[in-house]
Amino acid sequence: IAGITQAPTSQILAAGRRMTLRCTQDMRHNAMYWYRQDLGLGLRLIHYSNTAGTTGKGEVPDGYSVSRANTDDFPLTLASAVPSQTSVYFCASSEGLAGSDTQYFGPGTRLTVL
Amino acid sequence: DAKTTQPTSMDCAEGRAANLPCNHSTISGNEYVYWYRQIHSQGPQYIIHGLKNNETNEMASLIITEDRKSSTLILPHATLRDTAVYYCIVRSPSGSARQLTFGSGTQLTVLP
Repeated sequence: IAGITQAPTSQILAAGRRMTLRCTQDMRHNAMYWYRQDLGLGLRLIHYSNTAGTTGKGEVPDGYSVSRANTDDFPLTLASAVPSQTSVYFCASSEGLAGSDTQYFGPGTRLTVL
Repeated sequence: DAKTTQPTSMDCAEGRAANLPCNHSTISGNEYVYWYRQIHSQGPQYIIHGLKNNETNEMASLIITEDRKSSTLILPHATLRDTAVYYCIVRSPSGSARQLTFGSGTQLTVLP
């Protein structure tokens, strides 16, 4: 069982370019999350999804969009990247709904926007 | 979610038990105590959680005081690979997705 996989591992991107970060889980979890982690600021929630077909905004959603077409995948898109989006991005999942609240994290994507 | 207080840093000798304390004096009756860790440059890793009883799994033991105002995470035989930031999080159960809030945690350094 792989758990949560993220791709790419790292990326350098020119400002203004579009970028999609991929996240896949094989635990059949209902809920999925995207966080960013910046030095001194801890992890902040960008978007979340309670179940396939639904999404919600977290603490810092501006400049990002997500979709949840199926249970396993939860891609995060930066429509037009800006340097302030340079960060490490973590995807997570939990059973959600009436199940366990424990969140499990992927290995992260390190994104640099120049 | 109740606030938690942890020491900023701790050292532990390799092979010895690492005991990481956490104070959560304002915890309410339905809030769980969770422990995560983050090894440098990796994603946060779930370790263990509990409500009022002590818990043990393959990674660690969690000891919660009878009044639930504090807890201790125990790594029974620390290795160099256990060097990480350890986070104690108090959280009420939720039927919907919501942010997991990490505080500043305890930097545990396991020394050879």
